[in-house]
Amino acid sequence: GESVGLHLPTLSVQEGDNSIINCAYSNSASDYFIWYKQESGKGPQFIIDIRSNMDKRQGQRVTVLLNKTVKHLSLQIAATQPGDSAVYFCAENSNDYKLSFGAGTTVTVRA
Amino acid sequence: ETGVTQSPTHLIKTRGQQVTLRCSSQSGHNTVSWYQQALGQGPQFIFQYYREEENGRGNFPPRFSGLQFPNYSSELNVNALELDDSALYLCASSGGLAGNTGELFFGEGSRLTVL
Repeated sequence: GESVGLHLPTLSVQEGDNSIINCAYSNSASDYFIWYKQESGKGPQFIIDIRSNMDKRQGQRVTVLLNKTVKHLSLQIAATQPGDSAVYFCAENSNDYKLSFGAGTTVTVRA
Repeated sequence: ETGVTQSPTHLIKTRGQQVTLRCSSQSGHNTVSWYQQALGQGPQFIFQYYREEENGRGNFPPRFSGLQFPNYSSELNVNALELDDSALYLCASSGGLAGNTGELFFGEGSRLTVL
């Protein structure tokens, strides 16, 4: 079956440093991956996505890397800010109607 | 703000009762998906509605049912509530099927507690 997992449930990072959040997936048929951010008391918010024909995609302060060989996905956040404190989820899509989410990594930014 | 609104925001029920949760999708979005998020877990797909028809379903029993209306708003109904149904129920809308866009726009969720 398919599953999406994150390597670490928590990450503590100093303000201004770069953050790297990792995710492993098992469904080799997945062709679309998304990172979501969820702040306390809110719904998940789209950050960035990447399709399986790409290895890297950049957004504003964020970069997603995809390694299909080892089924690994990562989210890099540059110059982490206090507002980046949240739970981050990777999600995969292998069909038309659903996303499969991992359990999430809680990022805490230290001042 | 995503434009997806859910109601109620919080509710408490007892085992065996029934609950209806409501969702208004973002303007122009014809697809609504429902997810269940248990505490400390990622969202789990329940089902999706596209143009008033169920378009796909996750691993949830039949006592979880839904509707989509002509204005694309949606309801999630859960019968015979169990303690394990306690969770945050998230509604997400999109302009097309999930495979076409990752930009699911989530609401703030309905927090259900079953006692």
